[in-house]
Amino acid sequence: QITLKESGPTLVKPTQTLTLTCTFSGFSLTTSGVGVGWIRQPPGKALEWLALIYWDDDKRYSPSLKSRLTITKDTSKNQVVLTMTNMDPMDTATYYCAHRPVAGTAFDYWGQGTLVTVSS
Amino acid sequence: DIQMTQSPSSVSASVGDRVTITCRASQGISSWLAWYQQKPGKAPKLLIYTASSLQSGVPSRFSGSGSGTDFTLTISSLQPEDFATYYCQQANSFPWTFGQGTKVEIK
Repeated sequence: QITLKESGPTLVKPTQTLTLTCTFSGFSLTTSGVGVGWIRQPPGKALEWLALIYWDDDKRYSPSLKSRLTITKDTSKNQVVLTMTNMDPMDTATYYCAHRPVAGTAFDYWGQGTLVTVSS
Repeated sequence: DIQMTQSPSSVSASVGDRVTITCRASQGISSWLAWYQQKPGKAPKLLIYTASSLQSGVPSRFSGSGSGTDFTLTISSLQPEDFATYYCQQANSFPWTFGQGTKVEIK
């Protein structure tokens, strides 16, 4: 059974760097075709795709946030880490990580999400 | 970026009604479209992928159709557990983008 869980700070100050960790089980990021993505959702608003990392370490980012985002993986720990620099109150959102299956074009398993508030 | 526009933004319906939600892409995306259901405080749940393929475990009252730029999600007979917000998402090209959501409310 595939599960994912996000962890990280619930409150960050403006200009700080956010580091979120997605810890997963039930699949391996060494399996050809598999990916893990990050998606966020500001309170009461729509979903926004942020980044995706593939089994072969190929990485894709949202162009509007690319300068602020870094996605990495640690296959030995079954973790994917997302860092976002220069946080702003507009980045307040629930952040989700999700599993992209082999050759898939959607996210079939999602973490529960973690709410990150940006405030001084 | 490919823009995804859903309509309507909200719909009021009764149990047993047929509900159709539309998603339009700003450019052709072949069949690289997914639909998700999201309930308050919960993560999205995948319903449909590649426009018309039903995700395992999803009730058959949900169906998807379309290709190119115009897509629909249909709920053939609305059930109480279907009241939620629905999102489309394109995966034709990066960045993957979502629609703004359609809220299905109780009439």
